[in-house]
Amino acid sequence: DAGVTQSPTHLIKTRGQQVTLRCSPISGHKSVSWYQQVLGQGPQFIFQYYEKEERGRGNFPDRFSARQFPNYSSELNVNALLLGDSALYLCASSMGPRTGHSPLHFGNGTRLTVT
Amino acid sequence: DQQVKQNSPSLSVQEGRISILNCDYTNSMFDYFLWYKKYPAEGPTFLISISSIKDKNEDGRFTVFLNKSAKHLSLHIVPSQPGDSAVYFCAASAPYNNNDMRFGAGTRLTVKP
Repeated sequence: DAGVTQSPTHLIKTRGQQVTLRCSPISGHKSVSWYQQVLGQGPQFIFQYYEKEERGRGNFPDRFSARQFPNYSSELNVNALLLGDSALYLCASSMGPRTGHSPLHFGNGTRLTVT
Repeated sequence: DQQVKQNSPSLSVQEGRISILNCDYTNSMFDYFLWYKKYPAEGPTFLISISSIKDKNEDGRFTVFLNKSAKHLSLHIVPSQPGDSAVYFCAASAPYNNNDMRFGAGTRLTVKP
């Protein structure tokens, strides 16, 4: 079975630009979460979607937005990129809406570099 | 607001010996705790979890212990193998907490042959 797939794997953008990251969950998983991981730190929660509805939002500015499609895939959008947005962006899927109770299964991430 | 802490950035053990990775937390509302393993260029992989109603959960070579009074959990790997060399993250979640799973900063485990 295919795991969580993310695209692209690497991306280089310029400050002020916009970026869209994509994620396909494990088949049968209805929940998708997005995390940002900066070097030397653990993943930090950005969003969670379940059945196309936003179920959680982390402490990130409004420049960050996401959505989930009817096939449960998801997109993360970041506008007006800053140098500090450079990070590994991880997508994770799970069976149920409650993270922890349903362990997250992560993709390999998208490495975003903002210059 | 770092609610989950892994105070040891690195740990080195000999193959065949026990590896003990530690994690402390501050939020008494956490009710699920999880351990993830991460290899370079890969996403974190789920290892084992424990509910706050238990104090121990075992899966093969991996055992997680939870001490709620001390707000401390640990992951034991016995016996350690070179393939276990990776970064290990402790994570925790609380009910009605925005589905925000909190991660520690990770501990890099090196198992020497």
